Amino acid sequence: EDQVTQSPEALRLQEGESSSLNCSYTVSGLRGLFWYRQDPGKGPEFLFTLYSAGEEKEKERLKATLTKKESFLHITAPKPEDSATYLCAVQEVKGGSQGNLIFGKGTKLSVKP
Amino acid sequence: DAGVIQSPRHEVTEMGQEVTLRCKPISGHNSLFWYRQTMMRGLELLIYFNNNVPIDDSGMPEDRFSAKMPNASFSTLKIQPSEPRDSAVYFCASRRQGSNYGYTFGSGTRLTVV
Repeated sequence: EDQVTQSPEALRLQEGESSSLNCSYTVSGLRGLFWYRQDPGKGPEFLFTLYSAGEEKEKERLKATLTKKESFLHITAPKPEDSATYLCAVQEVKGGSQGNLIFGKGTKLSVKP
Repeated sequence: DAGVIQSPRHEVTEMGQEVTLRCKPISGHNSLFWYRQTMMRGLELLIYFNNNVPIDDSGMPEDRFSAKMPNASFSTLKIQPSEPRDSAVYFCASRRQGSNYGYTFGSGTRLTVV
């Protein structure tokens, strides 16, 4: 069973059409939830870290939120340059120390002009 | 800051050959991670090091895979012998322990085994 599930797998939007990406997780102790952006042929690029339910972070047109079971990445008035794959990852608390990042399979976002 | 540097960017090799992937982490980062990315399985952790010491290699698929970190500025991932199912993009990432900014990834090595 996947510990991190992202939906939808792919999303096509028109420029300016706002939407949300979902990341649901099942870990026993959440140390942190991370959002990354990955462009074709490149490594994932860090966007946000969220630590507790109710926390929100914003960066330009992106806003990430966190509940006890899931996180949302809201994209407001997207532009074509927002097209990328967005990855969610969770970090477990293991034995009192930081665990590794466990990644979801990502949502591929395409924004058409 | 040059970021995490991986080499080569692309590698095409024949089945049965030895392949060595290289990584230079960001200076001052004391944790290093090797991930593999495929369409089917996404990003999977293979092994990680803290202060040059391997901590968890449970993700290494088989004995054909091995990783070393002889010093704080260099790591290798070796596959011997390589098989077509090893074809994937291999990423190296580094982190300063305790950082709130997650991992910094390299640009990856695209491995094709024919």
